Amino acid sequence: SSELTQDPAVSVALGQTVRITCQGDSLRSSYASWYQQKPGQAPVLVIYGKNDRPSGIPDRFSGSSSGNTASLTITGAQAEDEADYYCNSRDSSSNHFYVFGTGTKVTVL
Amino acid sequence: QVQLQQWGAGLLKPSETLSLTCAVYVGSFSGYYWSWIRQPPGKGLEWIGEINHSGSTNYNPSLKSRVTISVDTSKNQFSLKLSSVTAADTAVYYCARVRYAVPAATPYWYFDLWGRGTLVTVSS
Repeated sequence: SSELTQDPAVSVALGQTVRITCQGDSLRSSYASWYQQKPGQAPVLVIYGKNDRPSGIPDRFSGSSSGNTASLTITGAQAEDEADYYCNSRDSSSNHFYVFGTGTKVTVL
Repeated sequence: QVQLQQWGAGLLKPSETLSLTCAVYVGSFSGYYWSWIRQPPGKGLEWIGEINHSGSTNYNPSLKSRVTISVDTSKNQFSLKLSSVTAADTAVYYCARVRYAVPAATPYWYFDLWGRGTLVTVSS
């Protein structure tokens, strides 16, 4: 299957923790990567591999995986974390193309 | 500093061919795959295809019949052509660098560098 499903929107109180999930068959055999996108900007990689963060990404962002579900957790959400988040992986059938999740809008209250 | 700089025509008529180029100003050009990704207004991300320095390509099956990605290693550039465009091809188009860990116990891939995006509008 080539689909990655995310909840359309979640909200979190300032300073609290929010988990964003991504479900798909390809996640049973590979790790997802996660991207943050703010309005009018290009996506930014926030998590890749088992739980790696690029330089400059705060450690309040973390990733995990279980079965067909990948998760991105923001611990102590800040106002600047309000954005769209997309997961990504490679198709499990052909392994020759990438699929993005449907995206989750995170609102920080 | 600019690491991936992209450019191309921003307004096309239906049936024309979209053409974009991305220049790489960071690190090594060889040893990576380079991708094109698009995002229609208000919608999610869609991967279009990728190429490496030797010209090996992979395409999204849904676009494969209309897409050509090419590379110019002398200039550290790669290009996208999408033929027979329609209004449905209106989107912001991004170039991006692909990194991967394969083979591995649990492989993974990710896009670590992105261009700023080019809005391409298809309208008669």
